Amino acid sequence: DAGVIQSPRHEVTEMGQEVTLRCKPISGHDYLFWYRQTMMRGLELLIYFNNNVPIDDSGMPEDRFSAKMPNASFSTLKIQPSEPRDSAVYFCASKEGLGDFTDTQYFGPGTRLTVL
Amino acid sequence: GENVEQHPSTLSVQEGDSAVIKCTYSDSASNYFPWYKQELGKRPQLIIDIRSNVGEKKDQRIAVTLNKTAKHFSLHITETQPEDSAVYFCAAGGRRALTFGSGTRLQVQP
Repeated sequence: DAGVIQSPRHEVTEMGQEVTLRCKPISGHDYLFWYRQTMMRGLELLIYFNNNVPIDDSGMPEDRFSAKMPNASFSTLKIQPSEPRDSAVYFCASKEGLGDFTDTQYFGPGTRLTVL
Repeated sequence: GENVEQHPSTLSVQEGDSAVIKCTYSDSASNYFPWYKQELGKRPQLIIDIRSNVGEKKDQRIAVTLNKTAKHFSLHITETQPEDSAVYFCAAGGRRALTFGSGTRLQVQP
């Protein structure tokens, strides 16, 4: 398996523009997580899905952020409109569906977002 | 929810010395404690984990200890090498999704 795949790897956009980040989890993994990493706040969980259903979105910072998982092999994180403070590295991670969180999460390579 | 605190934020050691990173957690229901290593510009990768039914686990030069009573766990790296230089994150969870510590930047001086 190629591991978790994210695109794009780098995104530079201007304030006010819509940004869409994409993730393909490892095949067979039932859980998908979106994280944001910044120097100030570290690694924050934004939202996670189980079997394509959003379970906990309490980490989503504002209504400008939305996430979807239309099928088991694809998820998007959208920011509309984007702001400079959204600049960060966004990671997607996935894991098997063992019913709890005591198994390994595999991270994708991340998308480095810069909002000017 | 869970709160994980990690210390120190930076750590510099000489090659061959040992390094210790400490974390505390707040939720007594947490039963899984992984450690991730993130090299510059790369993704976090699991290096070792421990579950609450054991107090210590070793894997070559890396060990993790857990004190459930005090709610703290530590990462120990012996005989450090330059390739150990990275940011290390602890996390706690298990029954709930993982909460990560703020990270420790380890620099191993040759």
